[in-house]
Amino acid sequence: QQQVKQSPQSLIVQKGGISIINCAYENTAFDYFPWYQQFPGKGPALLIAIRPDVSEKKEGRFTISFNKSAKQFSLHIMDSQPGDSATYFCAVLLSCPVAFGSGTQLTVLP
Amino acid sequence: DAMVIQNPRYQVTQFGKPVTLSCSQTLNHNVMYWYQQKSSQAPKLLFHYYDKDFNNEADTPDNFQSRRPNTSFCFLDIRSPGLGDAAMYLCATSRDAPLGYTFGSGTRLTVV
Repeated sequence: QQQVKQSPQSLIVQKGGISIINCAYENTAFDYFPWYQQFPGKGPALLIAIRPDVSEKKEGRFTISFNKSAKQFSLHIMDSQPGDSATYFCAVLLSCPVAFGSGTQLTVLP
Repeated sequence: DAMVIQNPRYQVTQFGKPVTLSCSQTLNHNVMYWYQQKSSQAPKLLFHYYDKDFNNEADTPDNFQSRRPNTSFCFLDIRSPGLGDAAMYLCATSRDAPLGYTFGSGTRLTVV
């Protein structure tokens, strides 16, 4: 049973553009929504996370938008750079442990 | 630097030959996790230790076992690796709830 659905599976963006990755969940009890970034040959690393009591969180070029009523949250990468090329996983958490989305492979073209 | 270290980075094993992967951490986190990640897929939780309490996911094959002799170390044992077990194995740690998961760099297992 997939607890979180992530789209798109892959994304190609020009340098300087905006990358948007979306996730949807069903269980309204989830209380923590992190995004992980994974480079080839490395483990995932926590990028940014949000609690459901806020609608948006911004850290540098990375923003999470959270829509509680729609049970959706998204990652926006502003001014995308080639160094952002990686796989991004959304995740949800109620207790332990984290359930991951299926991942989005982002390619930022120079 | 406090971190999660996995050894080896690459492991080649023969079909059916037992193999052990190791994970150590200097973060003093009480929870340790083992994930299996196949190419272009999300990490899949195999099991985790909350302190000394072992928690096995329902769909984790019996072929996979784990040991945690102390807070710092955790091992993944694959008793009889099959070709389908070739994957990246990721260790992660957290303090209590996994708000701050820290992953190791993984061990890539090849079965020949």
